[in-house]
Amino acid sequence: DAKTTQPPSMDCAEGRAANLPCNHSTISGNEYVYWYRQIHSQGPQYIIHGLKNNETNEMASLIITEDRKSSTLILPHATLRDTAVYYCIVSDRGVFRGGSNYKLTFGKGTLLTVNP
Amino acid sequence: NAGVTQTPKFRVLKTGQSMTLLCAQDMNHEYMYWYRQDPGMGLRLIHYSVGEGTTAKGEVPDGYNVSRLKKQNFLLGLESAAPSQTSVYFCASSYSDRDYGYTFGSGTRLTVV
Repeated sequence: DAKTTQPPSMDCAEGRAANLPCNHSTISGNEYVYWYRQIHSQGPQYIIHGLKNNETNEMASLIITEDRKSSTLILPHATLRDTAVYYCIVSDRGVFRGGSNYKLTFGKGTLLTVNP
Repeated sequence: NAGVTQTPKFRVLKTGQSMTLLCAQDMNHEYMYWYRQDPGMGLRLIHYSVGEGTTAKGEVPDGYNVSRLKKQNFLLGLESAAPSQTSVYFCASSYSDRDYGYTFGSGTRLTVV
């Protein structure tokens, strides 16, 4: 999997948009960008993923730059319950080939703290 | 649907004891994974399985064994527990089509004394 770089921590005011950046300059053409989050003491939770187009679901929006070397996860109206570690992961999609390229590799992520 | 269920939720072992962690999913997922999480380390993949009867090593497989005799269950075994295996263990499952995310369990907190 390609490496990702995320800031270790960010703060956001409740009710404001939270914009979490991620750099993935070595991403290859068949690799997707995935975002997960982990609220304290819980298992990680899938948020959203994309290949090259911007994506939106009920939880968040994902903006991927045209060169695909970076992306931003947007939580439009952050709440206190959004305080968590957010992981940006790149991974290819395809059938199992017995290698190491079929798994999600979690880094240290960004600790987002939403303040009242 | 329960999603991914891990048992037990907590366990304390003495060094040298053995135990099995059970992961069960009811979503008919083909793939299943075991991760461990230590403070400041993020999640590290121990073993994974891409189908019933198959298993493969992840980043940190030493000291662990796994089995996937049934599609819905993925077992993680510690034959001789060591203090270095004190950790939080997470199981996850997914479809083979990567156009979906992983579903994680709530974790097993294991302490080896």
